[in-house]
Amino acid sequence: GDSVTQTEGLVTVTEGLPVKLNCTYQTTYLTIAFFWYVQYLNEAPQVLLKSSTDNKRTEHQGFHATLHKSSSSFHLQKSSAQLSDSALYYCALLNTGNYKYVFGAGTRLKVIA
Amino acid sequence: EAAVTQSPRNKVAVTGGKVTLSCNQTNNHNNMYWYRQDTGHGLRLIHYSYGAGSTEKGDIPDGYKASRPSQENFSLILELATPSQTSVYFCASGDAGQGRAETLYFGSGTRLTVL
Repeated sequence: GDSVTQTEGLVTVTEGLPVKLNCTYQTTYLTIAFFWYVQYLNEAPQVLLKSSTDNKRTEHQGFHATLHKSSSSFHLQKSSAQLSDSALYYCALLNTGNYKYVFGAGTRLKVIA
Repeated sequence: EAAVTQSPRNKVAVTGGKVTLSCNQTNNHNNMYWYRQDTGHGLRLIHYSYGAGSTEKGDIPDGYKASRPSQENFSLILELATPSQTSVYFCASGDAGQGRAETLYFGSGTRLTVL
């Protein structure tokens, strides 16, 4: 079946250092888009960035991701982590034909001073 | 500002009891969703709706019913609550439109504990 894999349950990084959250997928859908949602403590998940174009970098709030269909990946990166980036991050695949989402299990990012 | 409001924020129920979780959206979105969030599983889809009067089963519908009486309201019903349904439940609406990848707008969640 279709799936999204986020390999790390917890990523801990020191403030000011780069961070990368991994996301890979398997799908048989023909029309797809990818999202990163972020959930801060005691808040609702909210969209961070999205992409449906192969090999095009998407950026928002200092984070960036590039959809690579050749490697089935949509990793999230930031060059300099901030304490305020500490949150739960979900990678998600959307079938744009039937609006069906598949979410990864989530990666908790902890930024320490 | 798009808004999805859930009630109650917290609920404690007894095993075998009936629980209704409510969701209201002012986004005028056609699509609405109910997810549950559990550590290690992420967000899992329970039921969804494409508009008033429609409900569809998601990936884990067993033990849950849904009701969409209007564009704005979407309820999740647990007829016979069980401890395994202890979780955080999120409602979302989606801005599906022609040629646009749908973004979900989530409510603040309902923390349900079934004793």
